[in-house]
Amino acid sequence: GAVVSQHPSRVICKSGTSVKIECRSLDFQATTMFWYRQFPKQSLMLMATSNEGSKATYEQGVEKDKFLINHASLTLSTLTVTSAHPEDSSFYICSARLARGNYGYTFGSGTRLTVV
Amino acid sequence: AQSVSQHNHHVILSEAASLELGCNYSYGGTVNLFWYVQYPGQHLQLLLKYFSGDPLVKGIKGFEAEFIKSKFSFNLRKPSVQWSDTAEYFCAVTPNTGTASKLTFGTGTRLQVTL
Repeated sequence: GAVVSQHPSRVICKSGTSVKIECRSLDFQATTMFWYRQFPKQSLMLMATSNEGSKATYEQGVEKDKFLINHASLTLSTLTVTSAHPEDSSFYICSARLARGNYGYTFGSGTRLTVV
Repeated sequence: AQSVSQHNHHVILSEAASLELGCNYSYGGTVNLFWYVQYPGQHLQLLLKYFSGDPLVKGIKGFEAEFIKSKFSFNLRKPSVQWSDTAEYFCAVTPNTGTASKLTFGTGTRLQVTL
């Protein structure tokens, strides 16, 4: 149980275009999801906290107009990278915290974004 | 805000050697602590977690960690590593507020186990 599905796993896009990444909780409701970015051989850096039905909370230094987050339902959060640039190339990971049981965190499999 | 330090960036061990990866955190209140593993090409998986109670926590695949509150530490241990333990290991902390608090990760430790 407690599976988070992230799609797509890999995407290559041209500079200037936008890319949408989806994160779905398959067998539970996630009122809060988290979006992380991981650079090669580095740790996960929290970008924003996505709250169902309200605006996301962005970490300091993360451009909210560039990384649009929508959490329209209890099972889906999306991250849209707008006007992508090569420096946006990275590994993006979503996570949800279980609101029951052991309150653990579960992670999506990640999306490798390459902007060319 | 909380922070996590993992001082071992890259560890190389022979099979059957014992492992200890350091993790120290900084936070003034009660915390929940986690160790995650990321195998090559795969997503993060939970190894073990500490919420309360017995400070010695046992996880999957023979891993364990000990929470020492006075040292703000949560070191990961395994008595005898296997080649399949080659992976990246992340320590993480979140305040124990009971709500969906954000996880803060350490910089990770790359473990390489040689045959």
